[in-house]
Amino acid sequence: GAVVSQHPSWVICKSGTSVKIECRSLDFQATTMFWYRQFPKQSLMLMATSNEGSKATYEQGVEKDKFLINHASLTLSTLTVTSAHPEDSSFYICSARGTVRGAEAFFGQGTRLTVV
Amino acid sequence: KQEVTQIPAALSVPEGENLVLNCSFTDSAIYNLQWFRQDPGKGLTSLLLIQSSQREQTSGRLNASLDKSSGRSTLYIAASQPGDSATYLCAVYKSGGSNYKLTFGKGTLLTVNP
Repeated sequence: GAVVSQHPSWVICKSGTSVKIECRSLDFQATTMFWYRQFPKQSLMLMATSNEGSKATYEQGVEKDKFLINHASLTLSTLTVTSAHPEDSSFYICSARGTVRGAEAFFGQGTRLTVV
Repeated sequence: KQEVTQIPAALSVPEGENLVLNCSFTDSAIYNLQWFRQDPGKGLTSLLLIQSSQREQTSGRLNASLDKSSGRSTLYIAASQPGDSATYLCAVYKSGGSNYKLTFGKGTLLTVNP
């Protein structure tokens, strides 16, 4: 139980285009979802926290107009990177917590975004 | 602001060796602490989660301890195998509130040589 599926696992896009990444909780209701970004050989940095039906809360320094987060249902959150640029190339990982195992968060497989 | 430090940054050992990975955190008001494994280009695999009221957790060859008062945790791997080669991440859950944010360390890159 407590499986989080992230899609796509990798994506290459042209500079200036937008990319959407999906994060789904397959067997539990995700009341809260988190989006992280990881640069090579660096730690995971929290970008934003979203609660179902509410606006996302962004961490300091994260552009909310560039990284659009939608958490419209208890099983799905999306991260849209708008007008992507090469510096947005990174590894993006989502996690979800909800009605199972208290505060424990479960992680997706990650998405490798490359902007060319 | 919570900071999580992992030492060493990289470790290379021969197969069969027992080893210890260290994690320290600056704010002892944590809810849980969790150890993850990350293979290159992949997501996170949860290894062990220690609740703040616990001192240790064990799973197979892995044992994690937690000392909240000193802000430290260790991950002990017994009889290491080449398949254990990966980056090991330590993360702490922020206490209080309802969102339980995680703060990660930079990880320890472990290489187990056959």
